[in-house]
Amino acid sequence: GENVEQHPSTLSVQEGDSAVIKCTYSDSASNYFPWYKQELGKGPQLIIDIRSNVGEKKDQRIAVTLNKTAKHFSLHITETQPEDSAVYFCAASIGLEAGNMLTFGGGTRLMVKP
Amino acid sequence: KAGVTQTPRYLIKTRGQQVTLSCSPISGHRSVSWYQQTPGQGLQFLFEYFSETQRNKGNFPGRFSGRQFSNSRSEMNVSTLELGDSALYLCASSFTSNTEAFFGQGTRLTVV
Repeated sequence: GENVEQHPSTLSVQEGDSAVIKCTYSDSASNYFPWYKQELGKGPQLIIDIRSNVGEKKDQRIAVTLNKTAKHFSLHITETQPEDSAVYFCAASIGLEAGNMLTFGGGTRLMVKP
Repeated sequence: KAGVTQTPRYLIKTRGQQVTLSCSPISGHRSVSWYQQTPGQGLQFLFEYFSETQRNKGNFPGRFSGRQFSNSRSEMNVSTLELGDSALYLCASSFTSNTEAFFGQGTRLTVV
């Protein structure tokens, strides 16, 4: 089955700096890659996603890049703010055959220091 | 539009008991997936229901089961609870296959 690895497990940045979180996946059939943000006491919140026919996607301060050849994808957050502090999860899905089954990475705890 | 609603938010059960958790998906969504979240194992897929049929199942024992009703609401059941079943159980709602999944706040289950 699919295996997703996520690095780093913790990341501390100064407010205004950029943060980058990286994930690798094992199954070349995976074609959908969402990112979730989870705050304490809440469920994961979808913040951005990318499909395998696209190399990069941006939404304001957040961007995701995908390298299908190397089987890795990354989340980039620019101009970080204290409210960006949370645990971030990457995930991969094999697509229609797998329905909506997501395989998650282990998570990255992001701390943004004011 | 209301989000995904999970009830109850918190549960404490004794070993050997059984428990039923409920999930109401976003209106119009037909797919409901369940995940278990623990500090040690992270987020793990339990199963997915689509139009009242189980479409996929993760690597969990048969004590974990679920169902989906005609209105897309879903329930999951865990029988013969073990201490290791203590976790946050999350439900995710999607419109159809391979589309964005939106999570509820989860049900925190503690087994004592």
